[in-house]
Formats: sequence, C-alpha cells, structure tokens
Amino acid sequence: AQSVTQLDSQVPVFEEAPVELRCNYSSSVSVYLFWYVQYPNQGLQLLLKYLSGSTLVKGINGFEAEFNKSQTSFHLRKPSVHISDTAEYFCAASGNTPLVFGKGTRLSVIA
Amino acid sequence: NAGVTQTPKFQVLKTGQSMTLQCAQDMNHNSMYWYRQDPGMGLRLIYYSASEGTTDKGEVPNGYNVSRLNKREFSLRLESAAPSQTSVYFCASSEPTGGTDTQYFGPGTRLTVL
Repeated sequence: AQSVTQLDSQVPVFEEAPVELRCNYSSSVSVYLFWYVQYPNQGLQLLLKYLSGSTLVKGINGFEAEFNKSQTSFHLRKPSVHISDTAEYFCAASGNTPLVFGKGTRLSVIA
Repeated sequence: NAGVTQTPKFQVLKTGQSMTLQCAQDMNHNSMYWYRQDPGMGLRLIYYSASEGTTDKGEVPNGYNVSRLNKREFSLRLESAAPSQTSVYFCASSEPTGGTDTQYFGPGTRLTVL
C-alpha cells in the first residue's frame, strides 16, 4: 500500500526567506504526486502535481516541487515566502489506489 | 459555480445521536469522497464513490455509512455518534483520470460529539 511521509510537522520561517517542505513516498507502482494547501478554516486546494515528464513542477503562488525517483521524494520549495503563505501543506500520492495524504506540515511565516 | 458545498458548517451532537452530513458538487464530476481531518493525522479517507451508483470503503469506514444520491450529491451518515468521531469532515469531488485527477474540496463540517 502507498504511504506518504512528511518529515516536518511544523516549519517556522522568516518572511522573504526560502523554504523547503519535505515529502517522501513509498510505492511499488507508477505514482502521481500532489501538493495541496489548506489556509486556516478552509478546505484544501491544489498547489501543483507531478504526473510524468519534467521532474521540476511549477505550481501556483511561486511554489515548485522536484520529483526524485531514486530518493522517492517530492519536496516543495519556494525561494522567498510571504506572510500569506502561512498555511498547512499536504503531500499526497495516488496510482492504482485512491489518493493517500501525508500528515501535513504547518508552515508559519514570521514577519 | 459554487464548486463543492457542505452542510452544515458546524454541528454538536451528544453520544448516540445520529446525523447526516450533506455534500453537493456542481462540476459534473463522477467521483466523490469523504475525508476526516484530525490534528497530526492528516486527511483520512472514509468512503468514496468512483461513479454514480457505486461506493467503496476507505481507510476509516467504521461507524459511517454513505449514500450517493445522484451524480451531484454524496451524503455521510453517523448512525450512533461517538466522541471518537469528533473531527472536521471534508467532502471532495474529481473527474477520475486514472489517478491523475485533481480533487476539489468543500469548506468542511466541524463536528463535536460530547
């Protein structure tokens, strides 16, 4: 069965600093990878997804993620964060099973 | 275009009471899902409906039932609520494309069981 591990439950970062949110997955079959964001008291919305092709995927709000098959990772990055990026971020994977989510990383941007 | 709507937004129940959470989508999606979100646990799939007329268990189905009423609506029922079912419940929908589909989420229902 697929599993998704988000290595950090909380990440505090100063405004305008870079950030990386880490995600590892386990799967023995083809896998599709997603990052979703949840702003306070809202549902989740898609940031970006990797289906195939280029391993560097660009998403909304200046985020990008890199698929690394050898390390089974799909880390999310942003070169300069803003206060408005404060939210919870979920990595997820699918393939031949329904979407499986990681436990989430709470990103707190400090002014 | 409202996307995915959920009612109610908040609910407080006593142990043993029953209730139904409603979900509707206006995107003509075939697949719909119910998740629960608990602190430190991420989102866990309760039930899903790959298409109208079908439902399947997810990771945590015990204590819940679902009904895919039509293509638009997918309800989640708690027959006898327990404190362990205190959670935030999210409904989502997607157009299935072999696992590559984006799920669209509703705003959630915050349920407290006393």
